[in-house]
Amino acid sequence: GENVEQHPSTLSVQEGDSAVIKCTYSDSASNYFPWYKQELGKRPQLIIDIRSNVGEKKDQRIAVTLNKTAKHFSLHITETQPEDSAVYFCALGGTSYGKLTFGQGTILTVHP
Amino acid sequence: EAGVAQSPRYKIIEKRQSVAFWCNPISGHATLYWYQQILGQGPKLLIQFQNNGVVDDSQLPKDRFSAERLKGVDSTLKIQPAKLEDSAVYLCASSLDPGNSPLHFGNGTRLTVT
Repeated sequence: GENVEQHPSTLSVQEGDSAVIKCTYSDSASNYFPWYKQELGKRPQLIIDIRSNVGEKKDQRIAVTLNKTAKHFSLHITETQPEDSAVYFCALGGTSYGKLTFGQGTILTVHP
Repeated sequence: EAGVAQSPRYKIIEKRQSVAFWCNPISGHATLYWYQQILGQGPKLLIQFQNNGVVDDSQLPKDRFSAERLKGVDSTLKIQPAKLEDSAVYLCASSLDPGNSPLHFGNGTRLTVT
């Protein structure tokens, strides 16, 4: 079945620095790679996603890169702000009726 | 558009008791998912419905968990009897077109089993 490993589990940066979170997977049939942000006590919210026919996608300060050969994808946040502090989850999809398999999460802390 | 609605927001029960959670997906979304999120972990799929049919329940502990979506709209997830390890947030999500459109999550029900 689908399996996804997410690293690091915690990430602490200074405001203005960049943050990178990486996920690796094993199922080569995966073709949808979303990232969710979950603030404390709130629901996961989609922040960016990418499909397997694209290598990179950018939306203002956030970007996702995909390397299908190496089976990994990464979330990049530039010019981090304190409000970026949250738990970030990668997910895999596309192999079974839209089911998403989630990574273990990364706690991002941005220090002012 | 209105989001995914869930109730209750919080529930505290003793082990061996039963509990039920309710979810109303976004209007028009045929696919409904129940996820379990244990503290410090990513959401884990329990069951997925397409309209009123079950698509995937491979990770649902069927000896104690059950779910239904009788009319293909709202859904109920039940646990009977509850165990301590069932303490988690139960998230409902819906999707317009599975595999091609994103999942929209509800705010979840935080269950504490004592």
